Amino acid sequence: AQTIHQWPVAEIKAVGSPLSLGCTIKGKSSPNLYWYWQATGGTLQQLFYSITVGQVESVVQLNLSASRPKDDQFILSTEKLLLSHSGFYLCAWSLRAVNSDYTFGSGTRLLVI
Amino acid sequence: GQQVQQSPASLVLQEGENAELQCNFSSTATQLQWFYQSPGGSLVSLLSNPSGTKHTGRLTSTTVTKERRSSLHISSSQTTDSGTYLCAPTNSAGNKLTFGIGTRVLVRP
Repeated sequence: AQTIHQWPVAEIKAVGSPLSLGCTIKGKSSPNLYWYWQATGGTLQQLFYSITVGQVESVVQLNLSASRPKDDQFILSTEKLLLSHSGFYLCAWSLRAVNSDYTFGSGTRLLVI
Repeated sequence: GQQVQQSPASLVLQEGENAELQCNFSSTATQLQWFYQSPGGSLVSLLSNPSGTKHTGRLTSTTVTKERRSSLHISSSQTTDSGTYLCAPTNSAGNKLTFGIGTRVLVRP
């Protein structure tokens, strides 16, 4: 069975500090991977997607970057956090078929102070 | 880009009542998923229904692809159904899922 694991579960970070969020998918080879972000009370927005190792496409510019160092790993990061980065970050995977379902991880809640 | 409108914005039910949630989207979708978002934020996929009618448990989804709309019917609501219901169509390339703002449901005992 496929599992998706996100870490950390929650973070409180200072403005200007670096950030790294991780996501690992087990039990599925070569999945499409995605990062989503939700501000408090807001709509879920897609930030990045990746269809293969080393290839990441940006969807929304939020002064964040993403990388896919391994087939089963997706990393979201920034060198300098802004207050506006606070929110809920979700990782997701899908198969490469255009009508594939998306499956989401349990998320990371980030508070920037 | 894809725009997703959901209605109503919120709904209060008495336990046992039924509810109908609506979703309208602006562009062609290859897939249409309904999700439940818990108060803690986690997402659970409820139904995938790009066209026609599908059932699972007390949930029924009907999607009319040509009219770019979908509905989710909850029958015999329970207090554990409280949360936010999100509609999300997938784009034609299959690489983007767009979410609506959701319908917040509260089921009172």
